[in-house]
Amino acid sequence: QQQVKQSPQSLIVQKGGISIINCAYENTAFDYFPWYQQFPGKGPALLIAIRPDVSEKKEGRFTISFNKSAKQFSLHIMDSQPGDSATYFCAASIGQGAQKLVFGQGTRLTINP
Amino acid sequence: DAGITQSPRHKVTETGTPVTLRCHQTENHRYMYWYRQDPGHGLRLIHYSYGVKDTDKGEVSDGYSVSRSKTEDFLLTLESATSSQTSVYFCAISEPGEGYEQYFGPGTRLTVT
Repeated sequence: QQQVKQSPQSLIVQKGGISIINCAYENTAFDYFPWYQQFPGKGPALLIAIRPDVSEKKEGRFTISFNKSAKQFSLHIMDSQPGDSATYFCAASIGQGAQKLVFGQGTRLTINP
Repeated sequence: DAGITQSPRHKVTETGTPVTLRCHQTENHRYMYWYRQDPGHGLRLIHYSYGVKDTDKGEVSDGYSVSRSKTEDFLLTLESATSSQTSVYFCAISEPGEGYEQYFGPGTRLTVT
């Protein structure tokens, strides 16, 4: 059972455009929602994360929007650049201590120059 | 990759043989995790450790065992490898008090023929 569903599977955006990736979760006990970025041949790296007590978090060109009632959260990449081309994963976990992350299926983002 | 090394980085083995993957960290982080990454599934948690000799199962633990005899080392063992265990395996670490960020290693690509 996939507890975190991510869409789209792949996305092509022109340089300078806005990239949007969406995730939906089922378990209302989740209280930590990170986004990871992964380049080919590398491990995932934390990009940005949010807790459910806020509806939006922005770090540079990256923004997470969070809708607790709809159980959805999304990643927006403003002014997308070719260097942003990577695979992005949303994830969710519960509580403190060991973070047993549940990942979405991933989105392969391509930014065309 | 935040002071995390994985060995071997690539391995090809035959069905039915035992395989051990090693994760070594130099960060002295308390928690360590093993994930597998497969197309269409994102990353899935296999086992995790919350201290020396303290481990617990994750989402996809069948066919895998782990051991942690030292803070810096976390071993993943496939007692009898099967073709369904062909995957890329990632180790991750985290530390309470440093937020919830997990740092991932570079991965091990395992092929079971």
